[in-house]
Amino acid sequence: QKEVEQNSGPLSVPEGAIASLNCTYSDRGSQSFFWYRQYSGKSPELIMSIYSNGDKEDGRFTAQLNKASQYVSLLIRDSQPSDSATYLCAVNSDTGNQFYFGTGTSLTVIP
Amino acid sequence: AAGVIQSPRHLIKEKRETATLKCYPIPRHDTVYWYQQGPGQDPQFLISFYEKMQSDKGSIPDRFSAQQFSDYHSELNMSSLELGDSALYFCASSLTGNEQFFGPGTRLTVL
Repeated sequence: QKEVEQNSGPLSVPEGAIASLNCTYSDRGSQSFFWYRQYSGKSPELIMSIYSNGDKEDGRFTAQLNKASQYVSLLIRDSQPSDSATYLCAVNSDTGNQFYFGTGTSLTVIP
Repeated sequence: AAGVIQSPRHLIKEKRETATLKCYPIPRHDTVYWYQQGPGQDPQFLISFYEKMQSDKGSIPDRFSAQQFSDYHSELNMSSLELGDSALYFCASSLTGNEQFFGPGTRLTVL
């Protein structure tokens, strides 16, 4: 079992809709959670970090964390075609020295 | 703002040759990470350094070694290259284990 699990998708949503991306993790000691966006052949780009239970909003992005359920999600409101990419969930180890990445969810926003 | 710099951006090697990849972290970042990403896969953690000391080790083959120098730049040395080593190699840096910021990557092709 991988440390971090994501639905690989592909996930398709129409332009303007809400895209919902989900991630579960196995290490209860993890304290930091991140969402990265990666375009094909490019490097992962940090879009959100979350450290405490609840919601964190940044523009069109909202990250949600539930440590009891070991679950973190990313909502993208008013999805745009430029949001089409692979979204990687990352969780740090309980020592904080290593990230575990999920396999990524491929999102396509249809104009 | 300064970002992570990696060189070279592209590298072509023959089997059994050696390769050296370089990484220059964001100024004042104290931790460097190396990742390998094959086609359609998530980034696989190889190794990390904190304040020039190895801090964590992932799935790095014995043929690979890395170090961090006094100016905080890091090098990944890869010997006896195999076809399966063809991948994108990312370096990331962070400040004390927080958000990791990725460099543009080095695309290694082994023929």
